[in-house]
Amino acid sequence: DTAVSQTPKYLVTQMGNDKSIKCEQNLGHDTMYWYKQDSKKFLKIMFSYNNKELIINETVPNRFSPKSPDKAHLNLHINSLELGDSAVYFCASSQAGVFGNQPQHFGDGTRLSIL
Amino acid sequence: AQSVAQPEDQVNVAEGNPLTVKCTYSVSGNPYLFWYVQYPNRGLQFLLKYITGDNLVKGSYGFEAEFNKSQTSFHLKKPSALVSDSALYFCAVRVGNSGYSTLTFGKGTMLLVSP
Repeated sequence: DTAVSQTPKYLVTQMGNDKSIKCEQNLGHDTMYWYKQDSKKFLKIMFSYNNKELIINETVPNRFSPKSPDKAHLNLHINSLELGDSAVYFCASSQAGVFGNQPQHFGDGTRLSIL
Repeated sequence: AQSVAQPEDQVNVAEGNPLTVKCTYSVSGNPYLFWYVQYPNRGLQFLLKYITGDNLVKGSYGFEAEFNKSQTSFHLKKPSALVSDSALYFCAVRVGNSGYSTLTFGKGTMLLVSP
């Protein structure tokens, strides 16, 4: 059973298009995240949701809009795709709470390539 | 602000030899420290964490890490490396008892274990 699943695994599209990536977790966690990993493998947080509420929004262009219909799902919509958006996008989840000491569980990533 | 440094881009070790992957951190307050491993085309997998208590923590696949407060380090170790340990390793830190603070990752260290 996949704990954190992302679709699609690969996404190849043209500059200027709009695309979405979906994420679902079956771990019963209350917090979900989107990360971007660039070509040098550097990993950076983009967004975090706790119980469907946005709690962390790093400096990300407005073209990126996350949506959490329920606490098991966190989707990422990207408008007007640019060449610099090419990267691997990871979804993750964890049980949050006051102490923040729980590890995050990652999906296997969506490889986005902009032509 | 919090940060993590992994000074080595790559660590090479022969199978059967001990391995160390270095990590130093900077954080205001008590650190929560984590190690993750990433295999090719996969998401990050949690290995171990330090929250409080014993400075030597043991994790998955025979890995362990030692928290050193005076040197602000959290080096990952394994007594006897396996070829299958070859992967990309990330150290991460967040401020303790902070609920929704972000997890900051180091740039990653590639571990190559030769037969």
